[in-house]
Amino acid sequence: NAGVTQTPKFRVLKTGQSMTLLCAQDMNHEYMYWYRQDPGMGLRLIHYSVGEGTTAKGEVPDGYNVSRLKKQNFLLGLESAAPSQTSVYFCASSYDRGEPYEQYFGPGTRLTVT
Amino acid sequence: AQSVTQPDIHITVSEGASLELRCNYSYGATPYLFWYVQSPGQGLQLLLKYFSGDTLVQGIKGFEAEFKRSQSSFNLRKPSVHWSDAAEYFCAVGGGSNYKLTFGKGTLLTVNP
Repeated sequence: NAGVTQTPKFRVLKTGQSMTLLCAQDMNHEYMYWYRQDPGMGLRLIHYSVGEGTTAKGEVPDGYNVSRLKKQNFLLGLESAAPSQTSVYFCASSYDRGEPYEQYFGPGTRLTVT
Repeated sequence: AQSVTQPDIHITVSEGASLELRCNYSYGATPYLFWYVQSPGQGLQLLLKYFSGDTLVQGIKGFEAEFKRSQSSFNLRKPSVHWSDAAEYFCAVGGGSNYKLTFGKGTLLTVNP
């Protein structure tokens, strides 16, 4: 099992450009999450999904959109990138029963917006 | 709302010394508590978790943590630190029906030879 994978690993954007980050999990997890990590800020939740076709806002959703068209994939979109969105982005997933709070993380995507 | 405080931003210890990383949480009911570790350039790896039962939990790599409800704490300990333990450590709390975790801002551990 690959676990949680993220594509791409690195990306440089210019202000105003758009891009989509892809997260895929092969553990049949119901819940998926997108976080951003900035120095001294820990991880902050951007958006999350509790199942295929559902999404919800997290702590810092502005400037981002998400979609969960397939259970195994969770996409994070930046429509018009800004320098403030320079960050490391992590995707995570978890079960919906048993121990649903235990989240499994991907390796991250380092995004730089110039 | 749930929250996590990790009072120490950066801790330096010598190899072989004992370690304690502090974590205080705020949550109205019984919390689910986690410690994750992040090596440079890597994702987060689960060290240990507390859901219920024994308040002293054992994790991977020789780490343990103790849940103290009266102090709202979940401190991470290791009796003898190895150079490979140098990393950033995150405490997290969960609870409620939406299965979200709230993370602390992290403690960076430096290990001197």
